[in-house]
Amino acid sequence: NAGVMQNPRHLVRRRGQEARLRCSPMKGHSHVYWYRQLPEEGLKFMVYLQKENIIDESGMPKERFSAEFPKEGPSILRIQQVVRGDSAAYFCASSPDRGKENEQFFGPGTRLTVL
Amino acid sequence: AQTVTQSQPEMSVQEAETVTLSCTYDTSESDYYLFWYKQPPSRQMILVIRQEAYKQQNATENRFSVNFQKAAKSFSLKISDSQLGDAAMYFCAAGGGATNKLIFGTGTLLAVQP
Repeated sequence: NAGVMQNPRHLVRRRGQEARLRCSPMKGHSHVYWYRQLPEEGLKFMVYLQKENIIDESGMPKERFSAEFPKEGPSILRIQQVVRGDSAAYFCASSPDRGKENEQFFGPGTRLTVL
Repeated sequence: AQTVTQSQPEMSVQEAETVTLSCTYDTSESDYYLFWYKQPPSRQMILVIRQEAYKQQNATENRFSVNFQKAAKSFSLKISDSQLGDAAMYFCAAGGGATNKLIFGTGTLLAVQP
């Protein structure tokens, strides 16, 4: 069973461009979480999605950031008009549909650098 | 709301010795879970150990164990027989509630001296 996959692993964007980060959860997992880790800091919750639904987006910046988890395909975190302050590692985690729902399995992260 | 506090930014331990990393938390949830994650230089988040708050028995995973003091809202991690591969950033986290989102502490950087 493959783990949580994220791509790209590294992404470089210039200010004003768009960044798209992808996350494929583990097989059988329909819960996806996105976290952001700024340099020298811990992970901060951004958004929680289930298939086709945003359940909790209380950690998402109000502008420029959006997330989706379509019925088919990976979850996407989109950042429009990136700024230098968006430079961070973005982690996706998934959890199973039943059983140990509170256990989240993390992907390797996408490191976004904004020039 | 949940908060997690790690008061030790850095710790150091000799190889084969024991070290304890501290964590305190605050939560309004009645049903919650506590975790320790390890983040090596690769930045991969690796689950070290988890504790269900309703369980009184402290969780143990090989050389890793926790001291869970529910009344004091304390959740420390003990690493026995430390190995060079244990060197990493360690994050304490709390989860639970309707969404199970994780709240992380600021981390403790553990160095293991040969």
